[in-house]
Amino acid sequence: QSALTQPASVSGSPGQSITISCTGTSSDVGSYNLVSWYQQHPGKAPKLMIYEGSKRPSGVSNRFSGSKSGNTASLTISGLQAEDEADYYCCSYAGSSTFYVVFGGGTKLTVL
Amino acid sequence: QLQLQESGPGLVKPSETLSLTCTVSGGSISSSSYYWGWIRQPPGKGLEWIGSIYYSGSTYYNPSLKSRVTISVDTSKNQFSLKLSSVTAADTAVYYCARHGFTPPFDYWGQGTLVTVSS
Repeated sequence: QSALTQPASVSGSPGQSITISCTGTSSDVGSYNLVSWYQQHPGKAPKLMIYEGSKRPSGVSNRFSGSKSGNTASLTISGLQAEDEADYYCCSYAGSSTFYVVFGGGTKLTVL
Repeated sequence: QLQLQESGPGLVKPSETLSLTCTVSGGSISSSSYYWGWIRQPPGKGLEWIGSIYYSGSTYYNPSLKSRVTISVDTSKNQFSLKLSSVTAADTAVYYCARHGFTPPFDYWGQGTLVTVSS
């Protein structure tokens, strides 16, 4: 099973909106509404930002939103802030008859 | 508040076995609602799921690592462990333990521990 495909980097200015894509296949992203997104600051553990495609855990800003179309999931961050600068990883369930997950390669978000 | 903490040697020799333990506090590893998993991240690279275990001992492994991985659980100590055999430099990574339900997401993570494979 190959990793999900994410752009290596995206950038935006404070206040703007950006979208990070995550492309998989009909065996993972396309088959399940189980894409999650994680934010990782340097030297820190990943933090869950979006789960089941578009749900936000308690405490996560509503500036973060998720969606999916076909085999591609997307994370949108609106009203960019300096503290949003981090690496972002998508993850999809791909289990069918067993438990299996696959991650994307990660996207470095730079706030200009 | 649930907390997970990884522990184990930071340096392992090539061909030997990497062993790590994750201690869970603030909650029970015997909860029927959750699995407990290991995820790794080579320096400067992305995340890779290694495998997961249920409190009963039921396990799931990444097929790419399955032949070298063993995950076990000790409910009396509220811990679960990872063993990765025949390690090479490619296994050098930060290893995280994390909690998940019967499907993703991974909602609680440990801080991670760097394991370097070198002679």
